[in-house]
Amino acid sequence: ELKVEQNPLFLSMQEGKNYTIYCNYSTTSDRLYWYRQDPGKSLESLFVLLSNGAVKQEGRLMASLDTKARLSTLHITAAVHDLSATYFCAVDPTQGGSEKLVFGKGTKLTVNP
Amino acid sequence: GAGVSQSPSNKVTEKGKDVELRCDPISGHTALYWYRQSLGQGLEFLIYFQGNSAPDKSGLPSDRFSAERTGGSVSTLTIQRTQQEDSAVYLCASSLSSSGRDEQFFGPGTRLTVL
Repeated sequence: ELKVEQNPLFLSMQEGKNYTIYCNYSTTSDRLYWYRQDPGKSLESLFVLLSNGAVKQEGRLMASLDTKARLSTLHITAAVHDLSATYFCAVDPTQGGSEKLVFGKGTKLTVNP
Repeated sequence: GAGVSQSPSNKVTEKGKDVELRCDPISGHTALYWYRQSLGQGLEFLIYFQGNSAPDKSGLPSDRFSAERTGGSVSTLTIQRTQQEDSAVYLCASSLSSSGRDEQFFGPGTRLTVL
């Protein structure tokens, strides 16, 4: 059974600082997704990582995937308050395609002024 | 529509009653998914539809849960004889296909409260 672990689960940081969220998963997969969720809202897709070594950047967020280590990272650069949200990684364990994503428990990020 | 829509946005029901939750996927998306988000369990896969293929029901927690997708578009998730542990946010998502290269777009969810 695929397990997806994120850490930390809670992260409080100051504006302007850098930090990394980690997502480890237990079985082979080359498809990993990062989502953002604001309180009371649904999930917003941030990144789709589809191969080993994939790196994607959008604004202050950069995501990478190492399929050999079964690890993805979400790096936050010079955090701003607007980045406060819960971030989920999700892994697709299937061989054939995107079916049942397995989600981590989420990292609740709070960026303080 | 522009995105995945779900209705109702909130549903409060009494234990033992049946409820129906509706999902309208993005037009042209052939794959549709239901997930459940609860405090204790996080985000859990429930069921997946792809085109006219038989759905993958492997995530449904009990036989009280069922779902159908009519005409390859709208889907309804039905929970019979609701229990308090069914209280959660039920999220629907759709993707262009199940090729594994297409991200899933999520709807706003239905918050179900079972009293």
